[in-house]
Amino acid sequence: IAGITQAPTSQILAAGRRMTLRCTQDMRHNAMYWYRQDLGLGLRLIHYSNTAGTTGKGEVPDGYSVSRANTDDFPLTLASAVPSQTSVYFCASSEGLAGDTQYFGPGTRLTVL
Amino acid sequence: GQNIDQPTEMTATEGAIVQINCTYQTSGFNGLFWYQQHAGEAPTFLSYNVLDGLEEKGRFSSFLSRSKGYSYLLLKELQMKDSASYLCAVLDSNYQLIWGAGTKLIIKP
Repeated sequence: IAGITQAPTSQILAAGRRMTLRCTQDMRHNAMYWYRQDLGLGLRLIHYSNTAGTTGKGEVPDGYSVSRANTDDFPLTLASAVPSQTSVYFCASSEGLAGDTQYFGPGTRLTVL
Repeated sequence: GQNIDQPTEMTATEGAIVQINCTYQTSGFNGLFWYQQHAGEAPTFLSYNVLDGLEEKGRFSSFLSRSKGYSYLLLKELQMKDSASYLCAVLDSNYQLIWGAGTKLIIKP
């Protein structure tokens, strides 16, 4: 592994189903982030984690939850998917917070029907 | 509220120069980033400005004026592979990145 990986690459999901998007980084970065990207809008922060064991809410956290049990993994869970959660989801990481470059995973394209 | 403005789309000719502007209004400022994003791919880092002035990196340069809430990305000697979206993002007072919607740059031969 080099950098950040995300799984699955794409997924079609029925409304009401539970779904976990996986994210793993091998750069030993402290901070990790989940964004969603929708057409015509900028990337929007869902949740973030400054370091293993801590998480925080971003701009659009409702309907999503995260955990950070260790440095490498930062899964995003949709407890009960709704069509408005159809989006491309990007996981990112950075060494720290202040001015550090964020490195992005390849993204997961999620469609909720 | 927080706002990042950039043009939706620009067209330029191969070999030419293009300037992509970004204006911002945010709660605090801890730096401005430019990222490149090819269609269907992840954003990749281009530049970071925290002080006023011009930062040059090969064919790409980025300028910042904090007093005007303004930045631009200058791309020289355009190549077809530069066709992509260019994202402006500001690190706010909470050290969260606020992203613009991106500028789609179309390069014509």
